[in-house]
Amino acid sequence: GQQLNQSPQSMFIQEGEDVSMNCTSSSIFNTWLWYKQDPGEGPVLLIALYKAGELTSNGRLTAQFGITRKDSFLNISASIPSDVGIYFCAGSVPPNTGNQFYFGTGTSLTVIP
Amino acid sequence: GAVVSQHPSRVICKSGTSVKIECRSLDFQATTMFWYRQFPKKSLMLMATSNEGSKATYEQGVEKDKFLINHASLTLSTRTVTSAHPEDSSFYICSAMVGTGYSNQPQHFGDGTRLSIL
Repeated sequence: GQQLNQSPQSMFIQEGEDVSMNCTSSSIFNTWLWYKQDPGEGPVLLIALYKAGELTSNGRLTAQFGITRKDSFLNISASIPSDVGIYFCAGSVPPNTGNQFYFGTGTSLTVIP
Repeated sequence: GAVVSQHPSRVICKSGTSVKIECRSLDFQATTMFWYRQFPKKSLMLMATSNEGSKATYEQGVEKDKFLINHASLTLSTRTVTSAHPEDSSFYICSAMVGTGYSNQPQHFGDGTRLSIL
């Protein structure tokens, strides 16, 4: 199936720094999701985006649905150690894709105290 | 809300054994559930889509006779790995989608099952 390109692949940052990651697709989506996965656990939904240009926040996290509908961005402000994990984007365009979401390749975040 | 429970969390068994994994939506009904395999430090690889009351849809390259899926109710999907072999060892995760029909509602994930075949 289609896989979304996510960058950067990994990040090592100091606690307190801001983080930006993005996800791009060759196809148009009408829904973008961002998940965080801790080691040995399932992904947890962070933010859902449903409209091109939409900017949504969840605490220190902010995500945007790109105007072209082919990309999305996730920003984390003032990072803390518990932000460590792998972040995945996911996109879909039902009913063309059924109810399936295509997942990004993931961004591994390490926060150095 | 939108809690998905996956059981067991870890299985260690001998080659040739069949292993059943359950995925339950605890506080919502899910017409559609998904089964993924995840290799270390890699993204989620969709194996099959489970639809309540109908046959599951398997992704290309996935042996349907080896990974039997039964979605008998709106809150439970089970996946049985028949005659498991060491190459089946992996982290398997299920997810459930809120609602019915075609929807852009998010998938909510279980905590995964670590399967180790000796």
